[in-house]
Amino acid sequence: AQSVAQPEDQVNVAEGNPLTVKCTYSVSGNPYLFWYVQYPNRGLQFLLKYITGDNLVKGSYGFEAEFNKSQTSFHLKKPSALVSDSALYFCAVITRNSGYALNFGKGTSLLVTP
Amino acid sequence: DTEVTQTPKHLVMGMTNKKSLKCEQHMGHRAMYWYKQKAKKPPELMFVYSYEKLSINESVPSRFSPECPNSSLLNLHLHALQPEDSALYLCASSQDGVGYYEQYFGPGTRLTVT
Repeated sequence: AQSVAQPEDQVNVAEGNPLTVKCTYSVSGNPYLFWYVQYPNRGLQFLLKYITGDNLVKGSYGFEAEFNKSQTSFHLKKPSALVSDSALYFCAVITRNSGYALNFGKGTSLLVTP
Repeated sequence: DTEVTQTPKHLVMGMTNKKSLKCEQHMGHRAMYWYKQKAKKPPELMFVYSYEKLSINESVPSRFSPECPNSSLLNLHLHALQPEDSALYLCASSQDGVGYYEQYFGPGTRLTVT
């Protein structure tokens, strides 16, 4: 089965500090990985994706993610967290077997405190 | 314009009612999706339309009936729902039919079944 795992239910970080939200994947073949963010009572917003190419992917709102094939990881990072970054973050994988639909991790709640 | 719109924002319906959710995008995308999301959980795929044809039905009960009248519009017809169907219903679209493309989500319709 093609899947992603987010090992942390919640991540707490102080404003101005770097943040990392973890994601590992388990897919056969090439992984096509995505990060989405969801603010309360809102739809999901696309942050970034890895399809092929550079392992460091830059996305919206200053976020970036590093694809690591040996560790099967795709962690989301930001050098300096903002209180407004507090939200629910989903890692996802697209698989051909699922008709190219997104298969999401369980989500990680990020809380940035002032 | 990367906007997907959904109406209504909120819907309360009884178990004997018939109602419809509407989703619209004007980005020229040729794949459209319905997801169901329970609180604090990841979205779960319901249906995928590619070039206005239903390509995926994730074993969704027949009380949910999707319709894609044209490439910009996606409807979800609801009939005889159960209280456990209360959730946030998200619509999404992606370019050029299904593939390894990011999906753009609408804000969702918050459905409550009484």
